[in-house]
Amino acid sequence: AQSVTQLGSHVSVSEGALVLLRCNYSSSVPPYLFWYVQYPNQGLQLLLKYTTGATLVKGINGFEAEFKKSETSFHLTKPSAHMSDAAEYFCAVSDAQGAQKLVFGQGTRLTINP
Amino acid sequence: GAVVSQHPSWVICKSGTSVKIECRSLDFQATTMFWYRQFPKQSLMLMATSNEGSKATYEQGVEKDKFLINHASLTLSTLTVTSAHPEDSSFYICSATGGGVKNSPLHFGNGTRLTVT
Repeated sequence: AQSVTQLGSHVSVSEGALVLLRCNYSSSVPPYLFWYVQYPNQGLQLLLKYTTGATLVKGINGFEAEFKKSETSFHLTKPSAHMSDAAEYFCAVSDAQGAQKLVFGQGTRLTINP
Repeated sequence: GAVVSQHPSWVICKSGTSVKIECRSLDFQATTMFWYRQFPKQSLMLMATSNEGSKATYEQGVEKDKFLINHASLTLSTLTVTSAHPEDSSFYICSATGGGVKNSPLHFGNGTRLTVT
């Protein structure tokens, strides 16, 4: 079975500051890992994903995440927060067979202070 | 890019009535569609997986007779909430994948907010 834990249901940073959203996973098989962003009353938009290969993954809107197998982590970062980054962020895991059946974390609401 | 259209975006219905939500893939063939529900300030919980032309596979605890899923074509899946009750009020989101390519990307609809009064 797979699971995802996002540390911190709410993160608040100042505009221009570093964004760090934490995600730890549990998986009995090599995982595929994803970060999604959700704006109010909308579906999910893929930010980035890790499948195989390079452990540092770059995504859209300046976000990146690093897969650390030893720490079972896939934390999301952005060097400089922008007001438009305010949203809900979900980390997700699926099995390596790429079944696309995602298990989501609880979500982290990111607030940007002016 | 690939688009998944979900309709309606919101619906209000009376308790005891049924509501149908549509999920369409606009520019690709969706061999597999997923239905999620999301309660306020919570994560997405997978309800069921539907493959075109076959019966949906429901997650544990999801009543298949209450949440009817039909995936009759490669571009359309529907979720019908039968005899809706206030506790069914939630945000329902579909996602679709396919195109005949292994590990093809997953695309999400914009969700449907259901309010049962």
